[in-house]
Amino acid sequence: KAGVTQTPRYLIKTRGQQVTLSCSPISGHRSVSWYQQTPGQGLQFLFEYFSETQRNKGNFPGRFSGRQFSNSRSEMNVSTLELGDSALYLCASNEWAGASYEQYFGPGTRLTVT
Amino acid sequence: AQSVTQLDSQVPVFEEAPVELRCNYSSSVSVYLFWYVQYPNQGLQLLLKYLSGSTLVKGINGFEAEFNKSQTSFHLRKPSVHISDTAEYFCAVKTGGSNYKLTFGKGTLLTVNP
Repeated sequence: KAGVTQTPRYLIKTRGQQVTLSCSPISGHRSVSWYQQTPGQGLQFLFEYFSETQRNKGNFPGRFSGRQFSNSRSEMNVSTLELGDSALYLCASNEWAGASYEQYFGPGTRLTVT
Repeated sequence: AQSVTQLDSQVPVFEEAPVELRCNYSSSVSVYLFWYVQYPNQGLQLLLKYLSGSTLVKGINGFEAEFNKSQTSFHLRKPSVHISDTAEYFCAVKTGGSNYKLTFGKGTLLTVNP
């Protein structure tokens, strides 16, 4: 099976701009979740999508949004970037069927806001 | 709401020594528990998980953890560490229900010295 793909791997943006990050989950997985990782706050849950529907949302401002397409690929968007949005954004591909629990993280997208 | 406390931010050990990374959680409902490892510039890799059944869980790379409900703990252990185990380790909790929202601890940096 191919792993979780996140693009781009690195990104540099300026304050006030917007950015879109992409995540392609493992084939057959219907759920994708997103996390922000920073040295100060650690790993924080952003949101989770299952079959194109947002099922959970973390405590982030409305500037952070996401969506999932019919092929399970997901995108997250951050508008009006702030310096504090600099972080590693991780996507996880999830599937839980019976006793089988699968969750695989991608390598992340490193966003730097200047 | 649930929370996770990793009691040690850094743990230095010598190669071939045993190690224990401590994790305590707080939740008013039943939980599922996980340990992840993160190597530099990489995403998270699932080491092991407790979903139900035996409280002693074995994972990859020789790691194991024990779920202790009365002490609300899920400590990670390895009897003999290698240099290659140097990484950051995260404990995470998920409450029941059909979602993949994880709450992570702040992480423990394990450094294995020769």
